[in-house]
Amino acid sequence: SQTIHQWPATLVQPVGSPLSLECTVEGTSNPNLYWYRQAAGRGLQLLFYSVGIGQISSEVPQNLSASRPQDRQFILSSKKLLLSDSGFYLCAWSVQWGQGVTWEQFFGPGTRLTVL
Amino acid sequence: GESVGLHLPTLSVQEGDNSIINCAYSNSASDYFIWYKQESGKGPQFIIDIRSNMDKRQGQRVTVLLNKTVKHLSLQIAATQPGDSAVYFCAENILAAGNKLTFGGGTRVLVKP
Repeated sequence: SQTIHQWPATLVQPVGSPLSLECTVEGTSNPNLYWYRQAAGRGLQLLFYSVGIGQISSEVPQNLSASRPQDRQFILSSKKLLLSDSGFYLCAWSVQWGQGVTWEQFFGPGTRLTVL
Repeated sequence: GESVGLHLPTLSVQEGDNSIINCAYSNSASDYFIWYKQESGKGPQFIIDIRSNMDKRQGQRVTVLLNKTVKHLSLQIAATQPGDSAVYFCAENILAAGNKLTFGGGTRVLVKP
């Protein structure tokens, strides 16, 4: 079966510090991978989307970047965090279009980031 | 831009009653819809999905209804239980454009004992 991991679960960082959040998927190959941010009491905002190694689409302009060094690894980074980067970060995966009969996205447990 | 939205931000339901959560979407090209449940501090969990060639789909205690004429999606939960208390999100997608979901703002369901 497929599983998705995110770490760390919680993180408190000072403004101006760097960030690295990691997401890995097991039990599937060549997945689509996604990073979302969720502000408190709000919906999910898609930040990045990847269909393969080294292929990253940025959905909104921001202070963050993403990388996909391996097929099932997705990393969210920042060189200098802002207060507005605080939130709940969710990684998700799905099958590639045309490779399945369902297209749901499967979410990880999330990382709660607080920037002080 | 086109987006998915919800009519009710909070829904209080008596335990044992049926719940109905509504969602309006504005992109007529969307052909795939999903409902997710998110408990506090956790990632969203898939509940049920429906393609635009269907009007209704049933799962275990849940039913999703799609009305393409008025661009409306609803989730019905039968015999609501305390464990159903959570935030529910609808999401839409245009499958041929890639699997990128657009999420609505969410509805909080509170189940009263």
